[in-house]
Amino acid sequence: SAVISQKPSRDICQRGTSLTIQCQVDSQVTMMFWYRQQPGQSLTLIATANQGSEATYESGFVIDKFPISRPNLTFSTLTVSNMSPEDSSIYLCSASGNGSPGTEAFFGQGTRLTVV
Amino acid sequence: AQKVTQAQTEISVVEKEDVTLDCVYETRDTTYYLFWYKQPPSGELVFLIRRNSFDEQNEISGRYSWNFQKSTSSFNFTITASQVVDSAVYFCALNSNSGYALNFGKGTSLLVTP
Repeated sequence: SAVISQKPSRDICQRGTSLTIQCQVDSQVTMMFWYRQQPGQSLTLIATANQGSEATYESGFVIDKFPISRPNLTFSTLTVSNMSPEDSSIYLCSASGNGSPGTEAFFGQGTRLTVV
Repeated sequence: AQKVTQAQTEISVVEKEDVTLDCVYETRDTTYYLFWYKQPPSGELVFLIRRNSFDEQNEISGRYSWNFQKSTSSFNFTITASQVVDSAVYFCALNSNSGYALNFGKGTSLLVTP
């Protein structure tokens, strides 16, 4: 199993500012993902963080708004840029070990973001 | 396209009752994987079970059991003798070789009262 640490666990930010969320895994993993969970809703995939190359974004999410880095096999960051109140959500990092789709995915504890 | 439907938005039971959470899925892939996760109020997602499309055997783990039926595209989850600590949101999810990220259902919020 993998343990995922996300920082910060929560933050309150002013609109128009940016926040970078960090995700650290305690072991090397093949796949890392970022999800958004709006209040009372399910998880929506933002992007797949690719090691050494640009992230792969899902429909409705763009790099300018959610830039992602993944410099190595254990670390990734998600930045929420130019925030508005609509960005208030829980952001979750997920990691999967060996690249097989059937592999259990582990999740960080999430970052609860409130934009005021 | 893949889709997971959890039609039950909220369920409330009294402690010690049995409860079944429904999950219906859609996929065109012949090889796929189904998951259940628990999200307690703390927010962290806890993995419960994984099933691949070739294994239709039901599984039991303590008070938890899962019923996978390909004929009805369902992967239902039953908690026997529910406890207050079972109160959480439960998500059913799906992925396959055509997309490694998980597709989640909308979740079922379970409240178990004493």
